[in-house]
Amino acid sequence: NAGVTQTPKFQVLKTGQSMTLQCAQDMNHEYMSWYRQDPGMGLRLIHYSVGAGITDQGEVPNGYNVSRSTTEDFPLRLLSAAPSQTSVYFCASSYSIQGAFYGYTFGSGTRLTVV
Amino acid sequence: AQKITQTQPGMFVQEKEAVTLDCTYDTSDQSYGLFWYKQPSSGEMIFLIYQGSYDEQNATEGRYSLNFQKARKSANLVISASQLGDSAMYFCAMRVYNQGGKLIFGQGTELSVKP
Repeated sequence: NAGVTQTPKFQVLKTGQSMTLQCAQDMNHEYMSWYRQDPGMGLRLIHYSVGAGITDQGEVPNGYNVSRSTTEDFPLRLLSAAPSQTSVYFCASSYSIQGAFYGYTFGSGTRLTVV
Repeated sequence: AQKITQTQPGMFVQEKEAVTLDCTYDTSDQSYGLFWYKQPSSGEMIFLIYQGSYDEQNATEGRYSLNFQKARKSANLVISASQLGDSAMYFCAMRVYNQGGKLIFGQGTELSVKP
């Protein structure tokens, strides 16, 4: 049981390049989300999805796109990388019971540097 | 607005002693959940303990317990018998009902266990 798998683990981009951070989960969780973690700060929500075909913005969505075509996958796209997007990115999934979410499982993170 | 506050940027504890990490939260909702995560230097987010707002008893998981004081809006993590492997960042997070599964994180507390 792999849980939440994120790839790549490390990435260096040049300003203006685009890339996709991959996230896959094998727990059949309906809820998936992307967070970024910057030094001295807790994790901040970028985008989330409550099921296939449904996505919504979080706290810091600018510069990022997401889609959810399957329950398992939730890729995060950086359209035109900027140095301000240098961060550690975490994907998380969870399940819900009567509208409340539990069992948040995080991937191992992607450390992204934009130069 | 919902908010998590962790006022201790860094803490030291002697091995085998107990330590309390503070967490206060702010929400006007009656239904919410509180989580603690551990982030070692390797970077992954490890779930420690969960407390629901309607749970009457404090949550416990092995050496971890959550001191939940609803009236004071505090959810402090208590680690008993500290071990060297407990040295890490600790994050308190809150999930609010009907917020799309969003987790709101505090800024974290860095715990160092001294031998």
